[in-house]
Amino acid sequence: RKEVEQDPGPFNVPEGATVAFNCTYSNSASQSFFWYRQDCRKEPKLLMSVYSSGNEDGRFTAQLNRASQYISLLIRDSKLSDSATYLCVDHLSGGSYIPTFGRGTSLIVHP
Amino acid sequence: NAGVTQTPKFRVLKTGQSMTLLCAQDMNHEYMYWYRQDPGMGLRLIHYSVGEGTTAKGEVPDGYNVSRLKKQNFLLGLESAAPSQTSVYFCASSYLTSGERETQYFGPGTRLLVL
Repeated sequence: RKEVEQDPGPFNVPEGATVAFNCTYSNSASQSFFWYRQDCRKEPKLLMSVYSSGNEDGRFTAQLNRASQYISLLIRDSKLSDSATYLCVDHLSGGSYIPTFGRGTSLIVHP
Repeated sequence: NAGVTQTPKFRVLKTGQSMTLLCAQDMNHEYMYWYRQDPGMGLRLIHYSVGEGTTAKGEVPDGYNVSRLKKQNFLLGLESAAPSQTSVYFCASSYLTSGERETQYFGPGTRLLVL
């Protein structure tokens, strides 16, 4: 069983919409999470870190819910350029600092 | 600052052939990783290294070997390629992790087709 689970989607939304993805993790001791963005046939790139207190960067907000063991990514006012696959990462896997990636959630923003 | 580079970008192999993928980083990172990415499977860790001269197995190490003779380079070897190793291979690096959040920097990937 994958330790980090994501809904693969695709999430198909119009421009300007608000969309949210969740990512569940199984290691209750995990404390360090990230969201990466991956464009088609490109390498993943860091989008943002996920802090216990939440993290906001422009139109993007990341939250951590320890009680339910999931992290979320909220994108407001979606742009066409937001179309990509979003990967969540648990940076503490099995007690060692080896990242575990989710399989990614595909987002398609249409005009 | 080139970041993380990978060589080659694309390769076609016949079953049983061998090859080495090279990853180089110029950020003085301690940690380096090799992943493979297949449709529907996400990124899976093959091997990783926490410093020069050290390597360790990841989630899917079978059929691969690695070496980290220099801090800036991490080599991934396929001794006898199989069609199941057709994939996109990503190398990544990060600073030494000591309980703090550290991001990974990825190379552009190597697309490998094994016939």
